[in-house]
Amino acid sequence: QQPVQSPQAVILREGEDAVINCSSSKALYSVHWYRQKHGEAPVFLMILLKGGEQKGHEKISASFNEKKQQSSLYLTASQLSYSGTYFCGTRPFGNEKLTFGTGTRLTIIP
Amino acid sequence: SQTIHQWPATLVQPVGSPLSLECTVEGTSNPNLYWYRQAAGRGLQLLFYSVGIGQISSEVPQNLSASRPQDRQFILSSKKLLLSDSGFYLCAWVLGTANTEAFFGQGTRLTVV
Repeated sequence: QQPVQSPQAVILREGEDAVINCSSSKALYSVHWYRQKHGEAPVFLMILLKGGEQKGHEKISASFNEKKQQSSLYLTASQLSYSGTYFCGTRPFGNEKLTFGTGTRLTIIP
Repeated sequence: SQTIHQWPATLVQPVGSPLSLECTVEGTSNPNLYWYRQAAGRGLQLLFYSVGIGQISSEVPQNLSASRPQDRQFILSSKKLLLSDSGFYLCAWVLGTANTEAFFGQGTRLTVV
């Protein structure tokens, strides 16, 4: 079952902040975040493991709430280059399956 | 360094024709391998994944099959394509023994006509 992301789409002006949420119905071992530009392969942003979080990029960070089986991606002072579709990927305990969410389309306008 | 190759980049096939997409990984051993499909404007749907040679887990009953004849080779096949098989197919690998990032191939855009 795919994790659910919200919102489905968001439009921001350059410099504004955004939060993208990811929710799973299963207990998670890890959460991955990726960004995909149109027609291209997804690019890794960061991974969050049980018991901690890992910051992958400046101004882009994430949190992982294991009890609630949720993760959030925070983009601060957004830049035009942040535009794209963001996906969370989840791996449950004891399973190598990596399932991606429904995606959040982020558009940054000048 | 590790690299992933996926081909072809684009493919136009008639309905009812067979399909074979190949993905190979270099620079690592015993990777977990994944096939995803992305319909236009949609999310990434997991089709198959494999944790070793000959070990295939199927996620969605469909017109497709997968095989892993070698440690670093993953093949997606179909005997007879349907219009609904059109989409962007992505292969990915993850280091098998660690919970690390997934590396994606450049994808194959398949159009069934």
